[in-house]
Amino acid sequence: DAGVIQSPRHEVTEMGQEVTLRCKPISGHDYLFWYRQTMMRGLELLIYFNNNVPIDDSGMPEDRFSAKMPNASFSTLKIQPSEPRDSAVYFCASSRTSGYNEQFFGPGTRLTVL
Amino acid sequence: QKEVEQNSGPLSVPEGAIASLNCTYSDRGSQSFFWYRQYSGKSPELIMFIYSNGDKEDGRFTAQLNKASQYVSLLIRDSQPSDSATYLCARDSGGGADGLTFGKGTHLIIQP
Repeated sequence: DAGVIQSPRHEVTEMGQEVTLRCKPISGHDYLFWYRQTMMRGLELLIYFNNNVPIDDSGMPEDRFSAKMPNASFSTLKIQPSEPRDSAVYFCASSRTSGYNEQFFGPGTRLTVL
Repeated sequence: QKEVEQNSGPLSVPEGAIASLNCTYSDRGSQSFFWYRQYSGKSPELIMFIYSNGDKEDGRFTAQLNKASQYVSLLIRDSQPSDSATYLCARDSGGGADGLTFGKGTHLIIQP
């Protein structure tokens, strides 16, 4: 079975540009999570969805960040405008209601903002 | 703050020995705890989860949970060089499926 799919795997952009990260959860999983990992702060939850509806976005750092899930198989995380401090690895993870909240991570997108 | 604390290491263990990784947490409402393994440059990989006090074994791995002491541990028996990685401890908030709070991880080195 395919795992969580993320694209792009690497993104290098300049400050002020818009960045869009994409995620396809595991088929049949109804929870989708966006995390960010940096050396300083570790792995942090940004936002999560249940059945395509955002449940908790308290981890989104500021209004420059937005996330959508238009259907059960696709989600985006957008940063506009991007800043150097946004440089990090962004992970998408998914889980299913019937489990014990076991979350399975995608390969991540390494974002570098120059 | 609802933190998860881990010793960053590195923790160096000889091949074949038992590696013991520890984690403490501050939120007594937490119900489930997770151990992830992360190789350098890769994504976190779920190893085990535990939600009841006591031990849970899966192959060479044993997770231990003590909710009274707010303490979670992971034991790796017969450690192999391929076990060398960063191990992340995480907890949920106790409200069902939701985002996890992660510790910063313990870097484990298995010496051949």
